[in-house]
Amino acid sequence: DTEVTQTPKHLVMGMTNKKSLKCEQHMGHRAMYWYKQKAKKPPELMFVYSYEKLSINESVPSRFSPECPNSSLLNLHLHALQPEDSALYLCASSPGQGYFSSGNTIYFGEGSWLTVV
Amino acid sequence: TQLLEQSPQFLSIQEGENLTVYCNSSSVFSSLQWYRQEPGEGPVLLVTVVTGGEVKKLKRLTFQFGDARKDSSLHITAAQTGDTGLYLCAGYNAGGTSYGKLTFGQGTILTVHP
Repeated sequence: DTEVTQTPKHLVMGMTNKKSLKCEQHMGHRAMYWYKQKAKKPPELMFVYSYEKLSINESVPSRFSPECPNSSLLNLHLHALQPEDSALYLCASSPGQGYFSSGNTIYFGEGSWLTVV
Repeated sequence: TQLLEQSPQFLSIQEGENLTVYCNSSSVFSSLQWYRQEPGEGPVLLVTVVTGGEVKKLKRLTFQFGDARKDSSLHITAAQTGDTGLYLCAGYNAGGTSYGKLTFGQGTILTVHP
């Protein structure tokens, strides 16, 4: 089973709202990621968690706040977003952070479509 | 900054035709992954290549990693309409500040017409 589950599938929020995106994996992976993807463009890395600790923050605005409650869950809290933040938000996981090989591969969820109005 | 140049950006072909997508870089990658993504879905891993000169086959798809590990190609034989999607290559370099980061190519949007 190589499944990463994301909820909700679609989210529409106003610029003053607070909402959260959720991600879950049960593969025992210790690295989890948030990516942002605009239409027909490659994913852009936002955050990396390794062993439940924030490892990489790609200078993401503070209106995006990640949280890793445990090794299986990853949240992305959203507050005061802008319309340009509308995108597909992808969660991913891998056995470990770092050297990606045949044995350490990133698996992506189906994504959460976010529209900011 | 590592870059992966992916080409072509768009590819529109008839069912049954063959095609090749290329990813090129001036940097050496420890490994390279190919993904396929359908509209509204997340990227699905097709293959990971790690050894220079490696060739992997997945049914009608053939993946090759260059000898110097700076380039890779994806060849599809006898394309089918179900092959339509966005194809992404993503490279990883084990050194320095790239730890844990994939470098993505710009993607190839493939449309296979019946």
